[in-house]
Amino acid sequence: NAGVTQTPKFQVLKTGQSMTLQCAQDMNHNSMYWYRQDPGMGLRLIYYSASEGTTDKGEVPNGYNVSRLNKREFSLRLESAAPSQTSVYFCASSDVRKSYEQYFGPGTRLTVT
Amino acid sequence: TQLLEQSPQFLSIQEGENLTVYCNSSSVFSSLQWYRQEPGEGPVLLVTVVTGGEVKKLKRLTFQFGDARKDSSLHITAAQPGDTGLYLCAGSLYNAGKSTFGDGTTLTVKP
Repeated sequence: NAGVTQTPKFQVLKTGQSMTLQCAQDMNHNSMYWYRQDPGMGLRLIYYSASEGTTDKGEVPNGYNVSRLNKREFSLRLESAAPSQTSVYFCASSDVRKSYEQYFGPGTRLTVT
Repeated sequence: TQLLEQSPQFLSIQEGENLTVYCNSSSVFSSLQWYRQEPGEGPVLLVTVVTGGEVKKLKRLTFQFGDARKDSSLHITAAQPGDTGLYLCAGSLYNAGKSTFGDGTTLTVKP
């Protein structure tokens, strides 16, 4: 099992450009999450999806959109990137019976210039 | 509003020393998790505690959940350089379906 995979690993964007971060899990988990991690600020929840077909805002959703494509895949889209979105983005998944135990991908390091 | 406060923020010790890091909140959690994150990687789950007063041991790591389920501690005995990393606590509120993370404690163990 690959667990949680994320693509790309690194990305540099210019202000105003758009891009989609991809995430997939092969653990048959119902719940999936997107976080951003900035230095000294831990993990902040952007959006989450408790099950296929549902999405909810987290702590910092402004400037982002998500799509739960199917049970395996959960994508994060930046429509018009801003320097404040420079961060490391992590996708995670969890089983519905233990939704608090999350399994993380390796992250995408995004720089917006 | 930061629901989970971790302390200390940074900790640098010599190999063989003992240490304790703390995770505190004013909220009552249904469960609390500890994760370790190494540079360039995602967090990895170490343990979940769910019962007030619960103590769990993982080799040289001891985790405790406060009686009131508002706080937790992680104690490492005889730290090794391999323990170096960012330690994150995360709490789940009842029926929330999501977790809140603390800002983490960066631990450096020098040989």
